[in-house]
Amino acid sequence: AQSVAQPEDQVNVAEGNPLTVKCTYSVSGNPYLFWYVQYPNRGLQFLLKYITGDNLVKGSYGFEAEFNKSQTSFHLKKPSALVSDSALYFCAVKGGSYIPTFGRGTSLIVHP
Amino acid sequence: GAVVSQHPSWVICKSGTSVKIECRSLDFQATTMFWYRQFPKQSLMLMATSNEGSKATYEQGVEKDKFLINHASLTLSTLTVTSAHPEDSSFYICSATGSFNSPLHFGNGTRLTVT
Repeated sequence: AQSVAQPEDQVNVAEGNPLTVKCTYSVSGNPYLFWYVQYPNRGLQFLLKYITGDNLVKGSYGFEAEFNKSQTSFHLKKPSALVSDSALYFCAVKGGSYIPTFGRGTSLIVHP
Repeated sequence: GAVVSQHPSWVICKSGTSVKIECRSLDFQATTMFWYRQFPKQSLMLMATSNEGSKATYEQGVEKDKFLINHASLTLSTLTVTSAHPEDSSFYICSATGSFNSPLHFGNGTRLTVT
């Protein structure tokens, strides 16, 4: 079985400060990890993925994520938050199954 | 990048009627499509997985006779909510992928309101 945990329902950060949205996973075999962002009343947009290779993955809109195998984590990060980054963020994992499992989502609020 | 088009973006219908939602992959062949339902401030609930030319696989608790899914081609899947009731009101989102390593590409969702 595969699972994803996003321990924070909400993350608050001031504009210009670094942000981190946490994600841990459990999967059999090698993980395929993804981050998505959802704006109100819209579908999800793909941000970045880790399949193999460098542990630090860079994605869209200045976001990056670090794969940590020993801690089974894939935290999403950005050096300097923007108000427009405020949205709902989902972490997802696939292992042997072709069906990804999504976390419950973390609401990011960036204050001006 | 890969684009998935979902229509309509919102629909209001009367109780007892049926509603069809279309999901199209515009610039890639979607071997697998997924249909999700999302309640306010909640995560995605996978309803079913469909592969082109075969019957959809429904998740436990999802009524296959109520939520009819057709994946007739590599670029089109449809979800029909039959005999809709107010409790079916929700945000429905489709997604598609072309290969195992590829991320899912999502439509913009359909807001269904049943009165």
